[in-house]
Amino acid sequence: AQKVTQAQTEISVVEKEDVTLDCVYETRDTTYYLFWYKQPPSGELVFLIRRNSFDEQNEISGRYSWNFQKSTSSFNFTITASQVVDSAVYFCALSEDTGNQFYFGTGTSLTVIP
Amino acid sequence: DSGVTQTPKHLITATGQRVTLRCSPRSGDLSVYWYQQSLDQGLQFLIQYYNGEERAKGNILERFSAQQFPDLHSELNLSSLELGDSALYFCASSVGFQGYQPQHFGDGTRLSIL
Repeated sequence: AQKVTQAQTEISVVEKEDVTLDCVYETRDTTYYLFWYKQPPSGELVFLIRRNSFDEQNEISGRYSWNFQKSTSSFNFTITASQVVDSAVYFCALSEDTGNQFYFGTGTSLTVIP
Repeated sequence: DSGVTQTPKHLITATGQRVTLRCSPRSGDLSVYWYQQSLDQGLQFLIQYYNGEERAKGNILERFSAQQFPDLHSELNLSSLELGDSALYFCASSVGFQGYQPQHFGDGTRLSIL
């Protein structure tokens, strides 16, 4: 079974619209960590954020915000006032405390149309 | 710039051949991870090394092997190449192997099998 599910394969929005990328995870561990990575067209994978399972505070960084809800096993990522430079594939990942492997979702390809 | 260096950036070869991909981790990082990213498979974890020792294995084919050297750089060897091995191969590094440590990715090596 997939440990990380990103149900949205592709999303297109018009510049300045807000967009939310969904991530649902599955784990039996009580301690785990969630990550988001960005892969722009140039191909590199850029680390965006890490969240610990014991800290459910939402986080905001500029136009980016993350909503972590243990009750629904979700760790969603919202981009406010999207820009063309936000066009990329975004990956959600899970790391369990008992293991040492990242489980990546299949990614959501975001296109921001000018 | 993540600090992880992968060479070469591009590699074109033929079926049946053998290639070696190289990775230098960020300064201070002891763990190295290898991933394969193909169009239809997403990011697949291959193998992890920590301070020279193999620590975790994912979906790595028997035709593939890796090692981490005393200077902590790592090499991924792919042999008897098949068309389906065409993919982007990423190396990532982290300080240790604990789940909370984010992995920092190199720019990848794009392997094309003709």
